[in-house]
Amino acid sequence: RKEVEQDPGPFNVPEGATVAFNCTYSNSASQSFFWYRQDCRKEPKLLMSVYSSGNEDGRFTAQLNRASQYISLLIRDSKLSDSATYLCVVKGTANNLFFGTGTRLTVIP
Amino acid sequence: SAVISQKPSRDICQRGTSLTIQCQVDSQVTMMFWYRQQPGQSLTLIATANQGSEATYESGFVIDKFPISRPNLTFSTLTVSNMSPEDSSIYLCSVLPRLAEIYNEQFFGPGTRLTVL
Repeated sequence: RKEVEQDPGPFNVPEGATVAFNCTYSNSASQSFFWYRQDCRKEPKLLMSVYSSGNEDGRFTAQLNRASQYISLLIRDSKLSDSATYLCVVKGTANNLFFGTGTRLTVIP
Repeated sequence: SAVISQKPSRDICQRGTSLTIQCQVDSQVTMMFWYRQQPGQSLTLIATANQGSEATYESGFVIDKFPISRPNLTFSTLTVSNMSPEDSSIYLCSVLPRLAEIYNEQFFGPGTRLTVL
């Protein structure tokens, strides 16, 4: 079983739409969770960490459900510039990161 | 954050040869990692580069194929040895800066795009 499983999409949404991505992780002992964003032919960049109580950063909301080992990312009022691949990431026991396969989002004018 | 550079940014190599990729950080970092991203796929950790000792390899990766050096807290190299077309990939260095340790926030270099013919 993969460490992190993620819906690959693609998600094609109109500008202004709300879109949600989900992922699940296999190691119940995992403590740190992140969403990274990767633009085409670029390196991944940290979008936000995911905290137990859930957290919000502008139009982005991340939530964690430890009981279900489930992480989500909600993007409100989608912009064209949000088009990218969103990677669900879980920290391993030695500070290494396990990446999901990524969910590709295209925001359409 | 940290400013990370990688050399070369891209290369095209013949099978059977080796390529060494360099990763340089603008500040001392506790941990450095090497990842691979094969075409159309997500990132897979190759190894953790340990300063002053042998790297820690993930399952499926071995030192003979991917020797790693880390002579100090700002620099590391990854060598892809005896290359085959299956090694065609993007190789990324990532770091965990000291001030970001508490948040476990890693930063990635721009990557090295390798094509093996």
